[in-house]
Amino acid sequence: DTAVSQTPKYLVTQMGNDKSIKCEQNLGHDTMYWYKQDSKKFLKIMFSYNNKELIINETVPNRFSPKSPDKAHLNLHINSLELGDSAVYFCASSQDPPASETQYFGPGTRLLVL
Amino acid sequence: GEDVEQSLFLSVREGDSSVINCTYTDSSSTYLYWYKQEPGAGLQLLTYIFSNMDMKQDQRLTVLLNKKDKHLSLRIADTQTGDSAIYFCAESRRGYNTDKLIFGTGTRLQVFP
Repeated sequence: DTAVSQTPKYLVTQMGNDKSIKCEQNLGHDTMYWYKQDSKKFLKIMFSYNNKELIINETVPNRFSPKSPDKAHLNLHINSLELGDSAVYFCASSQDPPASETQYFGPGTRLLVL
Repeated sequence: GEDVEQSLFLSVREGDSSVINCTYTDSSSTYLYWYKQEPGAGLQLLTYIFSNMDMKQDQRLTVLLNKKDKHLSLRIADTQTGDSAIYFCAESRRGYNTDKLIFGTGTRLQVFP
């Protein structure tokens, strides 16, 4: 009965590889997000989709490409991984785009690039 | 998170009150939030306050908002060891075509017996 789930939970990979992180929510929400939390715990939004449409696209290298096959899923593909990509990536969802709606967070994917 | 400032650490004794402070930047933010992050976990919404309110109380939690100074605080009464976590304040900020959350730098609360 997990509300927002992410896979994998841990990801260790070599520099230069391409990897994907998956997110699914069973809350019936229309909006999903990807956040990056660095080693100092700074949390910053990367992308947001509403009804499969991209509505937030922060200054993120174009090696990062989100994909939303349907409202319940938002995946993040990362090409040519770099050391600085090591972080915890959180997926979240809310009913509507405005931030007045409560966002529910997934457990995070811990990415380590060697 | 560099625009929303919080002190990095707070250490309190079990049973005492904790006060976590936050300074935000956007005076037009309509909602301000407090999230809790336990070790190895995602963020959990604790409470939020609408910008036309000065105070909100929810069981052991009291949120105070000073719009003039753009200052937000979270008071936890009777702090327990289970309250040890990182606490993030967040403001809703108008982006290009939607609102987005801007998180603070996080305050690590440690509760000792």
